[in-house]
Amino acid sequence: NAGVTQTPKFQVLKTGQSMTLQCAQDMNHNSMYWYRQDPGMGLRLIYYSASEGTTDKGEVPNGYNVSRLNKREFSLRLESAAPSQTSVYFCASTRDRGPYEQYFGPGTRLTVT
Amino acid sequence: GENVEQHPSTLSVQEGDSAVIKCTYSDSASNYFPWYKQELGKRPQLIIDIRSNVGEKKDQRIAVTLNKTAKHFSLHITETQPEDSAVYFCAAGTEGGKLIFGQGTELSVKP
Repeated sequence: NAGVTQTPKFQVLKTGQSMTLQCAQDMNHNSMYWYRQDPGMGLRLIYYSASEGTTDKGEVPNGYNVSRLNKREFSLRLESAAPSQTSVYFCASTRDRGPYEQYFGPGTRLTVT
Repeated sequence: GENVEQHPSTLSVQEGDSAVIKCTYSDSASNYFPWYKQELGKRPQLIIDIRSNVGEKKDQRIAVTLNKTAKHFSLHITETQPEDSAVYFCAAGTEGGKLIFGQGTELSVKP
């Protein structure tokens, strides 16, 4: 099993550009999450999907949108990137709403200039 | 809103000493308390977790204690080794499945 995978690993955007971060899991998990990690601030939840077909806002949703494409895939979209969105983005999944152990992907390092 | 405070932000110990990291949470509905270890440039990985019906849990050199009344929980690492050097995160979770993370502790174990 690959676990949780994310693409791309690195990305540089100019202010105002858009992009989609992709996440997929092969563990048949129901719940998926998007976090951002900034120095000294831990992991902050952006959006989550408790089950296929549902999405909810986390702590810091502004400037982002998500799509739960199917049970395996959960994407994060930046419509108009801003320098404040420079961060490392992690996707995670867990078997159910839980709470249970969350399994993290390898992360995407995004820089917005 | 829901909040998890973690202290200290940095911790330096000599190899073989013990390390203790403390967290405080605000949501009394929290019932799941995991600890994650993140090495430089890597993803966070679970090292131990505890549920609210248990006061203490041990796994070899790692232990976690929980005081639900005070809303405190702590990570204890004994006989530290250089490979324990990493950033450690606590978190608090509820039945809804969301985890609220602390700010992280950078542990440095000096040989």
